[in-house]
Amino acid sequence: AQTVTQSQPEMSVQEAETVTLSCTYDTSESDYYLFWYKQPPSRQMILVIRQEAYKQQNATENRFSVNFQKAAKSFSLKISDSQLGDAAMYFCAYRSLNMRFGAGTRLTVKP
Amino acid sequence: GAGVSQSPSNKVTEKGKDVELRCDPISGHTALYWYRQRLGQGLEFLIYFQGNSAPDKSGLPSDRFSAERTGESVSTLTIQRTQQEDSAVYLCASSSTLGLAGGGETQYFGPGTRLLVL
Repeated sequence: AQTVTQSQPEMSVQEAETVTLSCTYDTSESDYYLFWYKQPPSRQMILVIRQEAYKQQNATENRFSVNFQKAAKSFSLKISDSQLGDAAMYFCAYRSLNMRFGAGTRLTVKP
Repeated sequence: GAGVSQSPSNKVTEKGKDVELRCDPISGHTALYWYRQRLGQGLEFLIYFQGNSAPDKSGLPSDRFSAERTGESVSTLTIQRTQQEDSAVYLCASSSTLGLAGGGETQYFGPGTRLLVL
C-alpha cells in the first residue's frame, strides 16, 4: 500500500523568508504523480504544485518549488518570500492507481 | 457550474439517523472522489468513481457507508445509522483523469460538508 508521510505537524516562517515542508512516500510503482495542496481556514483545497515522477526536473510555480528525489522517495515543498496568505495546512499527495494524502503540515507565517 | 459543489454545507444529525451528502462534479469530469477529514487531520480516501467502471470502494470504513454515482454526474454519499465517530468534513473532488495514463490531472475539490453527529 502506498503511504505518504509528513513528519512536520507544524512549521513557522517569518514573512519574506523561505520555508521547506517535507514529504516522503512509499510505493512500488514506477509511474506516479505527486502533489502539494493547500487548505486555508476556508477548508477549500487548492492545488499548489504537481510533479510527474518520470520528469527529473523539479516543478516550479512562482514562489513555490519542489525538491523531488525519486530514489529517496522524497518530495519537499519550498516556499520562497513567504507571505501572510501562505498560512494554511499543506498536504502532500500521491497519485498512481489511487490517491493518498499525508497528514498535513500547518504553516504559520509571522509578520 | 464552474466548480465542484457540495450540499449541504453543514449537517447536524442525531446518532442512529441516516444522512445523504451530495456532490456535483465539474461537468465533463470522469473521475470523482470522496474523502473524509476529521478535525485537524489529513484526508482519508473513501471511494473513487471512474466513468462506468466499478468504483474503488477500498476506503469505505464500514458497511454503513455507501456511495452512488449516475453516469458522470452527481454522486451521493450515504451514511446509515450514523455514529459520533462519523463527525467530520466530507470532501468531494473531481478530475478529468482517465486511468493511469491520465493520472496526473488535478483534482478539484468542493467546499465540503461538515457533518456533526450528536
